[in-house]
Amino acid sequence: ETGVTQTPRHLVMGMTNKKSLKCEQHLGHNAMYWYKQSAKKPLELMFVYNFKEQTENNSVPSRFSPECPNSSHLFLHLHTLQPEDSALYLCASSQVYGGDSNQPQHFGDGTRLSIL
Amino acid sequence: AQKITQTQPGMFVQEKEAVTLDCTYDTSDPSYGLFWYKQPSSGEMIFLIYQGSYDQQNATEGRYSLNFQKARKSANLVISASQLGDSAMYFCAMRETGGFKTIFGAGTRLFVKA
Repeated sequence: ETGVTQTPRHLVMGMTNKKSLKCEQHLGHNAMYWYKQSAKKPLELMFVYNFKEQTENNSVPSRFSPECPNSSHLFLHLHTLQPEDSALYLCASSQVYGGDSNQPQHFGDGTRLSIL
Repeated sequence: AQKITQTQPGMFVQEKEAVTLDCTYDTSDPSYGLFWYKQPSSGEMIFLIYQGSYDQQNATEGRYSLNFQKARKSANLVISASQLGDSAMYFCAMRETGGFKTIFGAGTRLFVKA
């Protein structure tokens, strides 16, 4: 059991659907992340939030819309997705103290997304 | 720009033997952290070990140790006494001090044979 919970674990949706991925962390961390993991590609950072403020948007298409209402919750709203968006979406959290690099990220189990 | 390179797409090791997974990195920042994560087939990423750029000693965590050679910019993971449960993808990652962005390598798939 991890301190980062993602729901749903699996999601199948059509290209015209709207859905949301949810992430919740119970570790008291201040930073939260969304990653995309496609087959045979390195993990791609999508978004970073620190204390609810977005600090990184890695040129992600606007059909992905993140929301961070508080330091414990992170959402990824999906709409009008493309087949190439099928992937494992991983949420992570970490505690970042004044820019220290030594805190690892704690990951959820991921949401496996399939676009029909 | 930061870069992580893992040149071994797949590795085989006999159960109970040691195995080294290679990782080289590139950064112009003198202060950074290096991480190794394990990803079983179920999908979750599990943090294994951390090495800071200014750490004098190589990091160790149980059966995991990190062979850190700063001048060569390498941070190889050594797993001693391999177990069947060690079969998984292993990712090397780096974060520069002051940044939130962690860069991951492409990963190495480890197969442990009985």
